[in-house]
Amino acid sequence: QVQLKESGPGLVQPSQTLSLTCTVSGFSLTSNSVHWVRQPPGKGLEWVGAIWSGGSTDYNSALKSRLSISRDTSKSQVFLKMNSLQTEDTAIYFCTSFITWGQGVMVTVSS
Amino acid sequence: DIQMTQSPSFLSASVGERVTLSCRASQNINKYLDWYQQKLGEAPKLLIYNTNNLHTGIPSRFSGSGSGTDYTLTISSLQPEDVATYFCLQRNSWPYTFGAGTKLELK
Repeated sequence: QVQLKESGPGLVQPSQTLSLTCTVSGFSLTSNSVHWVRQPPGKGLEWVGAIWSGGSTDYNSALKSRLSISRDTSKSQVFLKMNSLQTEDTAIYFCTSFITWGQGVMVTVSS
Repeated sequence: DIQMTQSPSFLSASVGERVTLSCRASQNINKYLDWYQQKLGEAPKLLIYNTNNLHTGIPSRFSGSGSGTDYTLTISSLQPEDVATYFCLQRNSWPYTFGAGTKLELK
């Protein structure tokens, strides 16, 4: 059974760096892509970025300068790092294969 | 970026009613259009992929159609458990983009 689970801090201070981990099970990162999607409270979904089966990445152009996605295939983990966080980055962050979604992790940017 | 416009933003319908939700792309997306259902407090759930393919385990009352820039999700007979927000997603080109959603409620 394919599962994805996000983990990371719930609260980040403005201007600091967000680090999230997506731990997957039931499928191989070398055969499947993993995407990050975020959803501000009460709002719609925004595609953040992706890491492909070969290890290449693609990012939302609006976030590209602040964003890095990487992985550790031996641990079946995908990592998201976003720097210079602002209050508008407050959102639920999901990792997903687009077929299966993690439960999401709520990230609040506040001092 | 491809803009995805969903309509209506809000829909109220009765149990048993046929419901149609629309999604329009700002350019041709070659049927790379998926539909998701999101219930309050939950992650999105894939319903339909590539315009008209029903995902495993999804009831047959859900169906999708469309081509070019215009796409439709139809619920043939609305059930109480269908109350949710529905999003479309285009995967034709980068960046992938979602519609703003249609919130479906029971009348």
